[in-house]
Amino acid sequence: EDKVVQSPLSLVVHEGDTVTLNCSYEVTNFRSLLWYKQEKKAPTFLFMLTSSGIEKKSGRLSSILDKKELFSILNITATQTGDSAIYLCAVEAWTNAGKSTFGDGTTLTVKP
Amino acid sequence: NAGVTQTPKFQVLKTGQSMTLQCAQDMNHEYMSWYRQDPGMGLRLIHYSVGAGITDQGEVPNGYNVSRSTTEDFPLRLLSAAPSQTSVYFCASSLVNTGELFFGEGSRLTVL
Repeated sequence: EDKVVQSPLSLVVHEGDTVTLNCSYEVTNFRSLLWYKQEKKAPTFLFMLTSSGIEKKSGRLSSILDKKELFSILNITATQTGDSAIYLCAVEAWTNAGKSTFGDGTTLTVKP
Repeated sequence: NAGVTQTPKFQVLKTGQSMTLQCAQDMNHEYMSWYRQDPGMGLRLIHYSVGAGITDQGEVPNGYNVSRSTTEDFPLRLLSAAPSQTSVYFCASSLVNTGELFFGEGSRLTVL
């Protein structure tokens, strides 16, 4: 059974801080790891990672995958109050295409 | 651009009642899925479909039925509602070649 563990479960920082969110996984026949941001309603896509060591970047957010150690990190630099959200990590396997397994999420609170 | 549309957004049921959550997407996505989200538990997969006429169970399928008669629609049926089914339900869709999920706005269900 596929498994995704995120840490920490919650985090409180102040504006301007840098945060690192962790995601470890166990999946047979790994296809991809995805990060989503969830504010008040539905999750929205941030990154999809398929190869080790290649950083994906979007503004102040970046993410990298380590397929040998089976984990990914999501970094947010110069945090803003608008970064407050639940960050979800999910994995997909080739043998179960269309079926994503999610972690429990990290709730990030950025205080002014 | 509608994307993934879920109805209703809110519903209150009594124990034992049945209902259907509707989900429609207009992006011609092959994959569709239903998740439930409980506080502190991330997203758990209920049922998913890789194409019209094909459905399969996820992690928590008991008490729910699905069907996929068209590419666009993927309704979720609660056969006999129980308080344990109080949750927020998300429908999602994706293309076969990418893992990125597109989510509906969610349906908040309360079972009394």
